[in-house]
Amino acid sequence: AQSVAQPEDQVNVAEGNPLTVKCTYSVSGNPYLFWYVQYPNRGLQFLLKYITGDNLVKGSYGFEAEFNKSQTSFHLKKPSALVSDSALYFCAVRDLTGGGNKLTFGTGTQLKVEL
Amino acid sequence: EPEVTQTPSHQVTQMGQEVILRCVPISNHLYFYWYRQILGQKVEFLVSFYNNEISEKSEIFDDQFSVERPDGSNFTLKIRSTKLEDSAMYFCASKKMDSSYEQYFGPGTRLTVT
Repeated sequence: AQSVAQPEDQVNVAEGNPLTVKCTYSVSGNPYLFWYVQYPNRGLQFLLKYITGDNLVKGSYGFEAEFNKSQTSFHLKKPSALVSDSALYFCAVRDLTGGGNKLTFGTGTQLKVEL
Repeated sequence: EPEVTQTPSHQVTQMGQEVILRCVPISNHLYFYWYRQILGQKVEFLVSFYNNEISEKSEIFDDQFSVERPDGSNFTLKIRSTKLEDSAMYFCASKKMDSSYEQYFGPGTRLTVT
């Protein structure tokens, strides 16, 4: 089965500093990877995806993610964190194993950006 | 920008009652999904729906669950006889076509079973 792992439950970073939220994947075949963000009492918002091509993917709100095949990782990054980036971040992988086209999510990482 | 909408935002029901959660996917999308998130846990897939039929369902999606697209706009999830463990946030999602990959999620319905 396809899966993603987010090893950190919480990441704390000071505003203005770079941030990284980690994700590793385990898939058979080519990985189709996604990052979503969830603000309190809100749904999941799509940030970015990796399908093929450049290993550095740019997304919404200044976020980017680096696909690393040798390390099976897809870490989310931002050069300069904002307090408003504080939210719950989910890594996900496209999962075709059941014949459908579902997303399988990681456990989520709570990002806290402090002044 | 088009959005997925869901109603109600919060539903409280008694154990054993039937509930229907409603979703209006983005209008030109063809693939529809339900996911749920139990408080403090990860988002879990329930069911996917395409061309008026279920294309995949998870182990969670047992005989108590059903989905329907009764008209050209709504997509509903019905739980026939709710259990305490059905308490969760339920998210609807839609996707434009098979090659578009990313799914767009609604704001969710918080279901509380007492």
